[in-house]
Amino acid sequence: LAKTTQPISMDSYEGQEVNITCSHNNIATNDYITWYQQFPSQGPRFIIQGYKTKVTNEVASLFIPADRKSSTLSLPRVSLSDTAVYYCLVGDIRTGANNLFFGTGTRLTVIP
Amino acid sequence: KAGVTQTPRYLIKTRGQQVTLSCSPISGHRSVSWYQQTPGQGLQFLFEYFSETQRNKGNFPGRFSGRQFSNSRSEMNVSTLELGDSALYLCASSYPGDIRNEQFFGPGTRLTVL
Repeated sequence: LAKTTQPISMDSYEGQEVNITCSHNNIATNDYITWYQQFPSQGPRFIIQGYKTKVTNEVASLFIPADRKSSTLSLPRVSLSDTAVYYCLVGDIRTGANNLFFGTGTRLTVIP
Repeated sequence: KAGVTQTPRYLIKTRGQQVTLSCSPISGHRSVSWYQQTPGQGLQFLFEYFSETQRNKGNFPGRFSGRQFSNSRSEMNVSTLELGDSALYLCASSYPGDIRNEQFFGPGTRLTVL
């Protein structure tokens, strides 16, 4: 099962674009990349998932290079309410392994 | 549709005791996973049950166990509690037909071991 490495913390000003990069050098062929967001005193919430290239939804974009050894979560024009911990996970969605290794995540602080 | 519910929300126990936590998944979800969250270790996977069978297991001692019932409700049990077991225990459910296997988390049970 692939493990991930992501920065422990990041700061950003309101209105800026934030990019959080995750390394997953040992990603397997059947692994998907999933990002979750967690606010204090709440369980994590699914943000976005991808396999390769670029995925975009109403809240974020996910960029995955051809070798898939890393991925970047992009949050456009962050607001104070985006202050949270962001987790990158990789794993096979068919076996449930895409939800196993949350780790400590990246703590994003948005500054007014 | 109701979300994932966990009971109790808060629990205080003493070392050596055992505890049982309960999780009711979203209706129709057959997979239930359990996680332990502490400030130092972050969010760690305990185990996952799918159709009453343990499908995945994390790296926790045998004192941590779980089960799933035919209605998909799940319980986890921790025996011989230690101070280090103080944590927020989160339960999550997912729908087997969901192409992305998205997990939906409950509010958690805050366990304090004295």
